This record gives sequence, structure tokens and C-alpha cells, in this order.
Amino acid sequence: GQQVMQIPQYQHVQEGEDFTTYCNSSTTLSNIQWYKQRPGGHPVFLIQLVKSGEVKKQKRLTFQFGEAKKNSSLHITATQTTDVGTYFCAAVTGANSKLTFGKGITLSVRP
Amino acid sequence: DAGVIQSPRHEVTEMGQEVTLRCKPISGHNSLFWYRQTMMRGLELLIYFNNNVPIDDSGMPEDRFSAKMPNASFSTLKIQPSEPRDSAVYFCASSWTGSNQPQHFGDGTRLSIL
Repeated sequence: GQQVMQIPQYQHVQEGEDFTTYCNSSTTLSNIQWYKQRPGGHPVFLIQLVKSGEVKKQKRLTFQFGEAKKNSSLHITATQTTDVGTYFCAAVTGANSKLTFGKGITLSVRP
Repeated sequence: DAGVIQSPRHEVTEMGQEVTLRCKPISGHNSLFWYRQTMMRGLELLIYFNNNVPIDDSGMPEDRFSAKMPNASFSTLKIQPSEPRDSAVYFCASSWTGSNQPQHFGDGTRLSIL
């Protein structure tokens, strides 16, 4: 079935560096959601993007939906140790309109 | 506001035993989801309910797994008999109806089958 791909699964950055990750689909998406899961925690909803080319910001986090609505990006400016965790994108797939999560990218930040 | 409440938080049991996981969704939410998370397979949707009715159970691994939602404020996920490969973190999530609604996750149940 339709999937959302997140590659790579792990990324390590030095505190203060910027970080960008992508979420890709082979088909057009109606919307895309991003979640963050801290180590030992549960996924927490961050944001939803609906419109083609939409850009939303949350403090140092910038989320963008591609013009073709087949991909999305998450950019973190000047990473901090509090940004550590796994970031998932999720999109509606299938006839039953269920939300499918990508495998996530686990970000570690070296102080 | 109380979030999604799951119990138990941790469960360790021997293979062959019956395991029952419980979930209380956020009051007013009418969609409920059960997920399983492992390192190898990531976050997998097992089943979801809308207005207490199972809509899609295609993610349920096999007949050993069953889920019920007898009312709007309670759901169970049962594994009988349990096997070591069922060890994982099981999350329950709830939302308003609609594929564009954000899902609110509980703290999860960390299940270990010995």
C-alpha cells in the first residue's frame, strides 16, 4: 500500500547546527502530519499541513509541504539538546483513510 | 484535561499467558487506535474504531490478537496466547473523527513476553 518514506532513520548533529529531514510519498497526499517522540515517551502531534507549498513555523521548527503534495520537510534551526527524539511524518492512506506513519528519523544532538 | 490513559504501563509475563491491555480515550473523541511499536517495524497500526465500531483491523497480526470497544470510554487489546515476538510497546491513541484530525497518544504499555 501507499507509504510515506523517511530516510535516513538516524541523524547526529552538533548542538547549534541546523537539521533538515524529509518525508516522501509516491502519490499525492491530502495532508501530512508531523509528530515527535521523546526517548521513552509517546508520539506527540506537532503540526498538520494541508495546502500545496504550505509553510508553518513553530519557534525554531519550520515545516513545509511540497508543491506537488508528495513530500514534506522539517527544518530545525540551531538545534538544542531538547530537540532530541524521533520525528515521524504521517499521512492518510488507503480506502479506509487511515493515518500511516513513516519509520521516523531519530535525531541525536551532541552538546 | 486528562489525556489518553493506558494500563498497565509495564507488563512482564510468560509466553502462553493471556495479556489484556486497556485504554481510556479522551472524553468526546470518537476514534480510537491501537498501535504497536518495535525497533524493527516502527509504529504499526493494529486496529482502529470509529464510534465504537471496528473500521479496519487489517493490521492485527493474527487470530491471537483481538480488540474490543464496548463503549465510548473504554477499549481493550487482548493477546491470547502470548508469544515472545509480541514484545513491544503498545500505544492507544484517540482523535475526533476525520483523517485530518491529530491523534493523541497514551503513554503506552511496555510488554515483555518471556
